Amino acid sequence: GAVVSQHPSRVICKSGTSVKIECRSLDFQATTMFWYRQFPKQSLMLMATSNEGSKATYEQGVEKDKFLINHASLTLSTLTVTSAHPEDSSFYICSARQGATRADTQYFGPGTRLTVL
Amino acid sequence: SQQGEEDPQALSIQEGENATMNCSYKTSINNLQWYRQNSGRGLVHLILIRSNEREKHSGRLRVTLDTSKKSSSLLITASRAADTASYFCATEPSGSRLTFGEGTQLTVNP
Repeated sequence: GAVVSQHPSRVICKSGTSVKIECRSLDFQATTMFWYRQFPKQSLMLMATSNEGSKATYEQGVEKDKFLINHASLTLSTLTVTSAHPEDSSFYICSARQGATRADTQYFGPGTRLTVL
Repeated sequence: SQQGEEDPQALSIQEGENATMNCSYKTSINNLQWYRQNSGRGLVHLILIRSNEREKHSGRLRVTLDTSKKSSSLLITASRAADTASYFCATEPSGSRLTFGEGTQLTVNP
């Protein structure tokens, strides 16, 4: 299957700082990338959908100014958590899809564990 | 509310036994997918079953889909300790947004 990587895998930061998480599709071009957040023992919640070259579409309740998403190329999307606070501590997972239709499988990255002190 | 709801929330079995997990959803779908997540890791895509399919096999996995009942089941036969993980069903009820169920935590005891 296709490979999606995330970097870093773990990050610990102080409250008030910004953190950037990278999501890369390694062996295919991803028209669409998705960012999810997962709290302990809970399911994945979609935060935003990102299409290459256009603005991300955020889910209701997700602050676009706090979670900045950039999808500058077909293989890279970044999520920046700005002015992070302890409540932003979570597991962030990206996924990438080669096409734009429902028939295309999403491939998930290994996740990034963010801890805000 | 969640598109997919799964039961049981947690399942503990002995190695060699079969594990069955169920997923129900609310709206019409084009397909339903099952994913596995090991603790603290990303998701691994297991199997996709389309709305016009009733059953699909992949190795020790068997997935059924009943669109009239809006439900699906995942059966893992001859379970192994390495199957211990959380299992999620996912559907795309609208647009291209994948919506996950609450998940079933499977523990296979050696």
